[in-house]
Amino acid sequence: EAGVTQSPTHLIKTRGQQVTLRCSPISGHTSVYWYQQALGLGLQFLLWYDEGEERNRGNFPPRFSGRQFPNYSSELNVNALELEDSALYLCASSTDGPGTDTQYFGPGTRLTVL
Amino acid sequence: AQKVTQAQTEISVVEKEDVTLDCVYETRDTTYYLFWYKQPPSGELVFLIRRNSFDEQNEISGRYSWNFQKSTSSFNFTITASQVVDSAVYFCALSEELTGGGNKLTFGTGTQLKVEL
Repeated sequence: EAGVTQSPTHLIKTRGQQVTLRCSPISGHTSVYWYQQALGLGLQFLLWYDEGEERNRGNFPPRFSGRQFPNYSSELNVNALELEDSALYLCASSTDGPGTDTQYFGPGTRLTVL
Repeated sequence: AQKVTQAQTEISVVEKEDVTLDCVYETRDTTYYLFWYKQPPSGELVFLIRRNSFDEQNEISGRYSWNFQKSTSSFNFTITASQVVDSAVYFCALSEELTGGGNKLTFGTGTQLKVEL
C-alpha cells in the first residue's frame, strides 16, 4: 500500500512570492493534516482538512491556506512568502472518525525562501 | 495547554548499547494518546507506537520497548542493543482532540540519537 506522498521535494522561492505544496493521502484516509517544521520552532500544527473542508487551523496567519479535493488530496498555499516561512512542510493523513487516530506522514517538502 | 518535554537534546551511544529516550507530557484531558515517531535524515516522520491513556502496560516490539507511567506523566522509549540504523531524531507527541473529531499532535523538541560503531 502506498504511503503519503508529497510534491515537490524541494522548492526555492523569493520573498513575496506564492507557493503551492501538494499531498496525496494513504488510500482510504479522508483526513489530511499539515505541519510546519521550522528550525528552532519545532513541529507545529498548521491545518486540518476533512471531507473537503478546513476543520481547524493552528496559530498561523491567513496567508497560509489550502484546500482538499474530492479524492482527498490536498494543497497548501502560502502567499506573500517571508524568510521565516523556510521550513520542512509535512503532510499527514489519517482515517476519519471521532477520537484519536494515528497520523501517517509523508516525506515532506523543503521550502527555502530567499 | 498541552506540552511535551524531551529534555535530552542529543544522545550519543556506541553500537549495541541500550539507550532510553525520555518524554514527559502535560495535559488536562482525561483521555489522550501518546506517540513516538522517528525522523531519519530524509525527513519523513515514521510512526513507531501509539499508546492510549487507559493502557499503562509496557510494550515491547523487537528491540524497542516503551514504558508509560501515568503517575509521572512519562512515556519513555528504550532501544536495546542499538544499531547505526537507529540514528535519527525521535519525537514524542501528545494528541489533542479537535472539534469535529480530528486531532492535532503536540510534539516535543525531539532527541537526536547518534549510534556510532
